[in-house]
Amino acid sequence: DVKVTQSSRYLVKRTGEKVFLECVQDMDHENMFWYRQDPGLGLRLIYFSYDVKMKEKGDIPEGYSVSREKKERFSLILESASTNQTSMYLCASSSWDSNQPQHFGDGTRLSIL
Amino acid sequence: EDQVTQSPEALRLQEGESSSLNCSYTVSGLRGLFWYRQDPGKGPEFLFTLYSAGEEKEKERLKATLTKKESFLHITAPKPEDSATYLCAAYSGGYNKLIFGAGTRLAVHP
Repeated sequence: DVKVTQSSRYLVKRTGEKVFLECVQDMDHENMFWYRQDPGLGLRLIYFSYDVKMKEKGDIPEGYSVSREKKERFSLILESASTNQTSMYLCASSSWDSNQPQHFGDGTRLSIL
Repeated sequence: EDQVTQSPEALRLQEGESSSLNCSYTVSGLRGLFWYRQDPGKGPEFLFTLYSAGEEKEKERLKATLTKKESFLHITAPKPEDSATYLCAAYSGGYNKLIFGAGTRLAVHP
């Protein structure tokens, strides 16, 4: 079974802090994704990566950056956390084959105080 | 603009009461329609992929169907363990990027 592991289930940070969310997948997938999920808005794509050191902006990249130094690991960085970034963050991975689904981690619930 | 809309937002059923969830999409060049189940505090879990109008897929009490404008998730004789949020997502190409609907929260009561 595909396993996508997010380093923290719950995280509380203060405004202005630099925040790192980590994600690791064990299926040698090429593609990795970061989403945020808010009530009534569904999942919105922040950034994705299709290869090591490659990244593409999603629909809501402002205030975020990402890093992919190894194929299995994809990090989301909040450069200067703000209260409107309080949300559930979900990481996903998929193979290059578009017929294959994305597989998700269990999420990190991030609160910015 | 590509868009996916799910209805209803929430649905309450009695155990054994069959119903359907709707997923309408306006996506140019749909290449796949995905259904996921999400339990509270968990990430979405993959259920089905549909690729072309007329296609159907089944898993236990769930059956997903696809037309040119919408997809349905039919739930037959649901049980309380079917309670979850059901998400649909459309894929139109490009690095496997998905467009998600906001989900339907299903509650099945004994």
